[in-house]
Amino acid sequence: GQQVMQIPQYQHVQEGEDFTTYCNSSTTLSNIQWYKQRPGGHPVFLIQLVKSGEVKKQKRLTFQFGEAKKNSSLHITATQTTDVGTYFCAGPLPNDYKLSFGAGTTVTVRA
Amino acid sequence: SAVISQKPSRDICQRGTSLTIQCQVDSQVTMMFWYRQQPGQSLTLIATANQGSEATYESGFVIDKFPISRPNLTFSTLTVSNMSPEDSSIYLCSVETASSYEQYFGPGTRLTVT
Repeated sequence: GQQVMQIPQYQHVQEGEDFTTYCNSSTTLSNIQWYKQRPGGHPVFLIQLVKSGEVKKQKRLTFQFGEAKKNSSLHITATQTTDVGTYFCAGPLPNDYKLSFGAGTTVTVRA
Repeated sequence: SAVISQKPSRDICQRGTSLTIQCQVDSQVTMMFWYRQQPGQSLTLIATANQGSEATYESGFVIDKFPISRPNLTFSTLTVSNMSPEDSSIYLCSVETASSYEQYFGPGTRLTVT
């Protein structure tokens, strides 16, 4: 089964509002990655977090890695229509190089 | 990063036939992967394409159904054999560069089996 769990599955956001998507793992992760897939597109790498408690920002996107390295979050402020898509978190399987992808959070934006 | 191309971008095939999908990378990479993505679903790893040796398949995927070739460090093919409508999906190749763990995906092949 999937190692990495992600919630919520769907997020309907009013343009200009903020939202957060969460990712949880049953095991400690060496790193956590986030990808964005636009409708009809392919997953695109956004960021990788490696350190415990790490916080990284990309413009309106803030990524956090939990202190225990078992959870992560993506917070988007002032949502825009360009934020539409599905956001996946992914973490390597224990003692492996392969990634386990979360189920994804599909974001729609109401103008 | 890496630039990845896939061919074909989409195809409609009849059941019982086979389709070979090509994945080309603009630079040499160590790790290449093949994923399947059902509509509205997450990514499921089919196999890791190993250069010069047999691919490593994930549980539920077998070589007879999804033979993979990787003749060099920039190219791989995935064949979907003896197709059925259940094989209708998007097939994606991805690569992991030697310098980091992140993966870069090709544009995908949208397969419809009738």
